[in-house]
Amino acid sequence: QVQLMQSGAEVKKPGSSVKVSCKASGDTFSTYTISWVRQAPGQGLEWMGRIIPIVGIASYAQKFRGRVTITADKSTSTAYMELSSLRSEDTAVYYCARAVAVASFFDYWGQGTLVTVSS
Amino acid sequence: DIHMTQSPSSLSASVGDRVTITCQANQDISNSLNWYQQKPGKAPQLLIYGASNLETGVPSRFSGSGSGTDFSLTVSSLQPEDTAIYYCQQYDDLPLTFGGGTKVEIK
Repeated sequence: QVQLMQSGAEVKKPGSSVKVSCKASGDTFSTYTISWVRQAPGQGLEWMGRIIPIVGIASYAQKFRGRVTITADKSTSTAYMELSSLRSEDTAVYYCARAVAVASFFDYWGQGTLVTVSS
Repeated sequence: DIHMTQSPSSLSASVGDRVTITCQANQDISNSLNWYQQKPGKAPQLLIYGASNLETGVPSRFSGSGSGTDFSLTVSSLQPEDTAIYYCQQYDDLPLTFGGGTKVEIK
């Protein structure tokens, strides 16, 4: 059974950075893509970017380019999303999600990680 | 970016009703369209992929149709457990984008 297990909730100060992890189990990590999708309180879903672990290539939404870094460690089947220069508007639940192909659907999701940005 | 517009933003219907949600893309995305269901406090779950393919384990009362710019998700007989927010998502091009969501409630 495929599982994506994310790291726990974080509280951060404005201007700081946060790094969220997503550990995959139950399938071959490198053969699919991992995306990061966030959801602000009471709002919709917003795609931030993704990585193809087998080649280590990441793509980002323009909105987050320069502030977000997505990486993957094939040895531990773990993907990471680091967001810097945090502001209050970054308060959200951050999800990792698996897609089996570059152009495909998200068939498995992590449980979500709440990141709260507050002074 | 490809913009996805969902309508309605919310609806209330009775158990057993047929419910349809629409999703419109601002450019042709062929059949590169997925539908997800999200219940409170939970991650989204895939319902339909490739516009019309039912994900394994999803009840057959859910169906998807459309291509090009206009898509729809239909629930043939609404059940209490279908109370949720539904999102469409295009994967024709990066950035991947979602519709704004449709909140479905039971009368």
